[in-house]
Amino acid sequence: DIQMTQSPSSLSASVGDRVTISCRASQSVGSYLNWYQQKPGKAPKLLIYGALRLQPGVPSRFSGRGSGTDFTLTISTLEPEDFATYYCQQSETTPRTFGQGTKVEIE
Amino acid sequence: VQVVESGGGLVQPGGSLRLSCTVSGFTFSNFEMNWVRQAPGKGLKTGLEWLSRISTTGNNIYYADSVRGRFTVSRDNAKNSLYLVMNNLRVDDTAMYYCARDHSSGSFDDWGQGTLVTVSS
Repeated sequence: DIQMTQSPSSLSASVGDRVTISCRASQSVGSYLNWYQQKPGKAPKLLIYGALRLQPGVPSRFSGRGSGTDFTLTISTLEPEDFATYYCQQSETTPRTFGQGTKVEIE
Repeated sequence: VQVVESGGGLVQPGGSLRLSCTVSGFTFSNFEMNWVRQAPGKGLKTGLEWLSRISTTGNNIYYADSVRGRFTVSRDNAKNSLYLVMNNLRVDDTAMYYCARDHSSGSFDDWGQGTLVTVSS
């Protein structure tokens, strides 16, 4: 199975900050890398698929980069509603493994 | 698009449960579907765990090692419904269970609100 490792596990930031979350795969997943946002008590929400493609309706302050084994999710200007947990997921192979999550908290 | 899970509840270890996922707003038979779960509480074990994917016709089904042989997934395209039968349940199967639609990229673009399964004596 492909292991997905996110860093950091948590971070504190302020509204207006630029935030970058990293995700590393244990082997190449090409561009089959997806990002989700989850708020407490809610289901995950797809933000980015194919490493860099913004899901319709997702604000443009979210962006994704990378290919192969190293990927990043960047929030250019953190808004109050962005405080949540973010997960990466590879869809190159089955099982479709997730990272352990990165919790973005208010500083 | 609407995805609604049901069937969760409290069950004793070794017991069984059947979850359902009913969808509307899209042509169910055109999409592969997935089950994903998330353990409750805090800490590193509360992440998302993919459990299973079923093809559009139901002819191809894939399982995570953790549930293979105990869980069975099926679908009824005429009823716009997906099912998860869970047997020989263990305490560590306690989780919120989500149904999620498979996007062409392999991502999950629509999720239900989840149904909670608690395995406890």
